[in-house]
Amino acid sequence: QQPVQSPQAVILREGEDAVINCSSSKALYSVHWYRQKHGEAPVFLMILLKGGEQKGHDKISASFNEKKQQSSLYLTASQLSYSGTYFCGTEIRNAGNMLTFGGGTRLMVKP
Amino acid sequence: NAGVTQTPKFQVLKTGQSMTLQCAQDMNHNSMYWYRQDPGMGLRLIYYSASEGTTDKGEVPNGYNVSRLNKREFSLRLESAAPSQTSVYFCASSELEVVNEQYFGPGTRLTVT
Repeated sequence: QQPVQSPQAVILREGEDAVINCSSSKALYSVHWYRQKHGEAPVFLMILLKGGEQKGHDKISASFNEKKQQSSLYLTASQLSYSGTYFCGTEIRNAGNMLTFGGGTRLMVKP
Repeated sequence: NAGVTQTPKFQVLKTGQSMTLQCAQDMNHNSMYWYRQDPGMGLRLIYYSASEGTTDKGEVPNGYNVSRLNKREFSLRLESAAPSQTSVYFCASSELEVVNEQYFGPGTRLTVT
């Protein structure tokens, strides 16, 4: 079942902060975050693993609450380049990185 | 390194026609994936291949077939295209041994009329 992302869209001014949430109805093994700019392919941001390990972008932070089956992506001091659609992908077991993606959160950063 | 490449970039088909989307990666990855992305929506997994010689169904496999030709190449075939298959198709690859990021190709924009 597809994870649910919130909010669906957010508009920020440069320098403002945002939080994007991803919630699953199933117990999760890992959560992956990707950013996609219009007309382009998704680009990897971060992986959060059950047990606390993280891999990814050093300017973006995220959390993973295993008990609540939720993850949040924190974008601080936003830049114009942060604009795009953010997707979370969830994995319910360690099985070849098979991900189920959420519907996306559209982020627009204005000057 | 070219990363993940896909051909063609654009394609228009008539209902009932067939075609094959090609994908190749030069990163020596074991796992490869095919996704579709409908307008304003997330990615849905069609098929994946954990390693050369193996393929498995994803979330939306109906109407598609795949071939893992070798470690580098993973093709997606539409045998009889339908308007519901109008979408952007992305191929991706990743390492298998550990949980790892997926690298995406530039996509193929397919319209079925």
